[in-house]
Amino acid sequence: KAGVTQTPRYLIKTRGQQVTLSCSPISGHRSVSWYQQTPGQGLQFLFEYFSETQRNKGNFPGRFSGRQFSNSRSEMNVSTLELGDSALYLCASSLEGSRRGETQYFGPGTRLLVL
Amino acid sequence: DQQVKQNSPSLSVQEGRISILNCDYTNSMFDYFLWYKKYPAEGPTFLISISSIKDKNEDGRFTVFLNKSAKHLSLHIVPSQPGDSAVYFCAANDGNKLVFGAGTILRVKS
Repeated sequence: KAGVTQTPRYLIKTRGQQVTLSCSPISGHRSVSWYQQTPGQGLQFLFEYFSETQRNKGNFPGRFSGRQFSNSRSEMNVSTLELGDSALYLCASSLEGSRRGETQYFGPGTRLLVL
Repeated sequence: DQQVKQNSPSLSVQEGRISILNCDYTNSMFDYFLWYKKYPAEGPTFLISISSIKDKNEDGRFTVFLNKSAKHLSLHIVPSQPGDSAVYFCAANDGNKLVFGAGTILRVKS
């Protein structure tokens, strides 16, 4: 079975621009979660999508948004980019979501650099 | 506030010896814990997990121990190999999301 894939792997943007990242989950997985990893903050939860609906949301500003399509693929969008948005963005998929006892499997991440 | 803490930023171990990585948590609602391993420029790779109804789970060279009363878990790697050198993250599932520790860099010297 193919793993979680993310595109693009690397992105360079300038402040004020917007960016869209894509994630394709493991086949059969219906839940996709997004995380931001920065050197000082570790992995921080952004949001989770399940069956095209946002189910949970972390403590990030409204500039961060996402969606999920009927084939479970998910996109994450960041508008009005700031320097502090430079990070590794990871998505993770699981069968039914962040329920107790479920393991999430991560993609390779998208490295975003904001100049 | 950090609900999952990995207090050792780094650990250096000789090849063939045991590596012990520690993790403490504060939220008693956590009842499923996971360890992930991460190489630079890659996503975290799932290693092993444990439910709160257990106190030990083993998978090959990896064993996770859970002490619920102390709100502490540890990952033992025996024997350690140079390929184990990576960042190890402890994570807890609160029913909505995974909450991660800051990670511990493990260096296994040959």
